[in-house]
Parts: sequence; C-alpha cells; structure tokens
Amino acid sequence: GAVVSQHPSRVICKSGTSVKIECRSLDFQATTMFWYRQFPKQSLMLMATSNEGSKATYEQGVEKDKFLINHASLTLSTLTVTSAHPEDSSFYICSAHPRGRTETQYFGPGTRLLVL
Amino acid sequence: QQQVKQSPQSLIVQKGGISIINCAYENTAFDYFPWYQQFPGKGPALLIAIRPDVSEKKEGRFTISFNKSAKQFSLHIMDSQPGDSATYFCAASSRGSEKLVFGKGTKLTVNP
Repeated sequence: GAVVSQHPSRVICKSGTSVKIECRSLDFQATTMFWYRQFPKQSLMLMATSNEGSKATYEQGVEKDKFLINHASLTLSTLTVTSAHPEDSSFYICSAHPRGRTETQYFGPGTRLLVL
Repeated sequence: QQQVKQSPQSLIVQKGGISIINCAYENTAFDYFPWYQQFPGKGPALLIAIRPDVSEKKEGRFTISFNKSAKQFSLHIMDSQPGDSATYFCAASSRGSEKLVFGKGTKLTVNP
C-alpha cells in the first residue's frame, strides 16, 4: 500500500518550453502532496505544499509563477515548469501522506528533467 | 539554518558489519523522526520511523535509537549487505506541521 507514482520518469526539453509532471497516489487519498527538488548528491529541498482544491503554498525563494502546481483531486497533483531553462534541470520528487496520517510521507519515484 | 544535522556524510562498511548513522536536532517541537532510503535515480522510501515516547524501535535489521535528552537519534543497520548500499536521510517533523525537515544524507557503501 501507499504507492505514489510520477509521470514522466524522465523528460528532455528545449529551453523556453513548459513541462508538466504528474504525481498520483495510487491506493490512497492524499489531501496534501509535496513537491521537492533534489540536486545531485544533495538532500531534498521542499518547493511547495499542495492542498487539494486550494492554492499551493510555496517555500521561500521558489517562484510560484515558474513552478505552477495544481492539486485537482485527492489523488493527483501536477507541477508545471514554465519557460524552462537549463538551470531548472534537476530531479523533481513528489510525496503524499494518506488522509489521517499527516506525518508519514510516501515518495514518488522522481522525474529527471533535463533542459537543453 | 540546518535543523537536522546528519553524520557521517559517507560510510563504508564490510558485508556483515554494522552501519551507524547519526542525526541531531535542535527543535524540541519535533515529535516524529523517520529514516528514508534512496537508491540512485529513485525516490526516497520510508524505512523506519520513531516517536519520542520510545527509546528504540526495531524492524528486521534496522533499528532506530532515540535519545530525547541529547536530542539525537541514530539508525543502525545490522548485518549490512551490499544491497543496503544507498543514501540514507534522517528527517523530523513537528505536530501540526506536515513538513519534513531532512538531514543532508549519508551515502552508505557496503563492500562484499
């Protein structure tokens, strides 16, 4: 149980294009999902907290107009990297916690984004 | 400001040995301490977690030791195997906050 999926697993795009990453909780409902960014050999950096049916809460220093987050249902959150640039290349990981278990986060497999 | 300090940064252990990773925190409001295992190119997987009301929790070869007064907790991997080679992250969260604060990670290598 508690499986989180991400799609795509890897994406390569040209500079200036937008990329959408999906995060799904497969066997539980998630009122809250989280989006992280991880650079090579570094820890996870929380980008934003996504709540179903409301606007995401972004961490300090994260551009909300660049990283658009939509949490349209209890099992799906999307992260759109708008006008991507090479510096946006990174490993993006989402997580979610089952309803009623707010401390336990289950992570997706991650999405590797490479912007050329 | 790093709220959870993790050490060592890297660790090499022989097969069958004990791997020990340590974390320390300052925020006394933290009340949930999970450990995550991450393989290259994969998302972190929840390994084991503990709350401050117990001093130790064991699941198979993995044990968390918790010292509330010292504000420290550690992960022990008994009988370490090459398949345990991964990066391990400790984390902490406080009641009322859904956010996890992560340590910087420890890269464990278990030699056969």
